Amino acid sequence: ETGVTQTPRHLVMGMTNKKSLKCEQHLGHNAMYWYKQSAKKPLELMFVYNFKEQTENNSVPSRFSPECPNSSHLFLHLHTLQPEDSALYLCASSQSSGGPSATDTQYFGPGTRLTVL
Amino acid sequence: GIQVEQSPPDLILQEGANSTLRCNFSDSVNNLQWFHQNPWGQLINLFYIPSGTKQNGRLSATTVATERYSLLYISSSQTTDSGVYFCAVLHNAGNMLTFGGGTRLMVKP
Repeated sequence: ETGVTQTPRHLVMGMTNKKSLKCEQHLGHNAMYWYKQSAKKPLELMFVYNFKEQTENNSVPSRFSPECPNSSHLFLHLHTLQPEDSALYLCASSQSSGGPSATDTQYFGPGTRLTVL
Repeated sequence: GIQVEQSPPDLILQEGANSTLRCNFSDSVNNLQWFHQNPWGQLINLFYIPSGTKQNGRLSATTVATERYSLLYISSSQTTDSGVYFCAVLHNAGNMLTFGGGTRLMVKP
């Protein structure tokens, strides 16, 4: 596997379900990101992890819970979601994140298309 | 926060035509990237271009940082160029990549 992979590619869940999205990067990067893309809206950054530490939480509701066990893996745990949470969830990675001298290119996975019923 | 505006929002081209997509941003940036999102949702990195000009095949991009805009040129467009093109910037004082609303391109055979 190369680049950034995400599983599953499609997920349908009920509002009472608990599920997890997985992201893995094979690029040797130290920063990983979760983005949400809803219909007719710009991509929204959700979380940033740099060297396994969460450095940004963009006011995301607590029903989304990220986990970064190491620099190569990132999870998004989902529980008691709402239908308006249906969206494409994209994971990305870069060499490092943020700061005034940030010059890193972000590489994206294929996304998980989530439908909440 | 920084504002990123892309134009036009929608563009329909005949195969073989050329086009220019624009990205305006409201403040100084350290990082500017152009992405292509294909019809299956995959975001592909096209250019990392905080300033200057780069070319890659039929695509080229120019960023004029002092005037706070970037342009993406597509020449001899092909149907596989269809999708949404996003510009994203990292504000000098920020820590998060901010995306524009995208330009949805359809290239007809």
